[in-house]
Amino acid sequence: DGGITQSPKYLFRKEGQNVTLSCEQNLNHDAMYWYRQDPGQGLRLIYYSQIVNDFQKGDIAEGYSVSREKKESFPLTVTSAQKNPTAFYLCASSIGRGGEQFFGPGTRLTVL
Amino acid sequence: KQEVTQIPAALSVPEGENLVLNCSFTDSAIYNLQWFRQDPGKGLTSLLLIQSSQREQTSGRLNASLDKSSGRSTLYIAASQPGDSATYLCAVQNPGDALNFGKGTSLLVTP
Repeated sequence: DGGITQSPKYLFRKEGQNVTLSCEQNLNHDAMYWYRQDPGQGLRLIYYSQIVNDFQKGDIAEGYSVSREKKESFPLTVTSAQKNPTAFYLCASSIGRGGEQFFGPGTRLTVL
Repeated sequence: KQEVTQIPAALSVPEGENLVLNCSFTDSAIYNLQWFRQDPGKGLTSLLLIQSSQREQTSGRLNASLDKSSGRSTLYIAASQPGDSATYLCAVQNPGDALNFGKGTSLLVTP
């Protein structure tokens, strides 16, 4: 089955720790995205990548980092510099920038 | 910056009713508009994508329309069912820009 997988489903982090969220797709899509969703707010873009080895900051990139070494993978690291990391994180992909976006099941991150 | 508004924020209807969800946006120079469904604690499921050159798209009981000049889109759900209960999100993309999301409409269809 083609699709987008995210792991883990739930993640708990202590303050001061860096954590990495996984996102993998087998849709052969060039573009991948990371969004953050908070209660009562719309999704906000953290980072996006249009092609391997290239990525751009979104609206709320501070405290986050990404890499795009393979077409299929776009991991997101939440660093200790992110002051309020507790949220639901969603990964998406599209054939290219501007194409229909398809989303993974999400990772819920909680800071203890 | 593009702003997307969805009205109403929440809606409850009895099973079998036809209903309309509304989405408005401030910048009419859009590239496309996408409607999504989100179940609690889950990711987003793409329902319909309307390109800027299109006026509407249909999928089963769903019909989405787009009026760029007025900055509006509607999602029409025919013969609603309890399984349609979810949050519906509208997202607009401007050329060269990322998706801009509304806050969603939470729909409850009661048996």
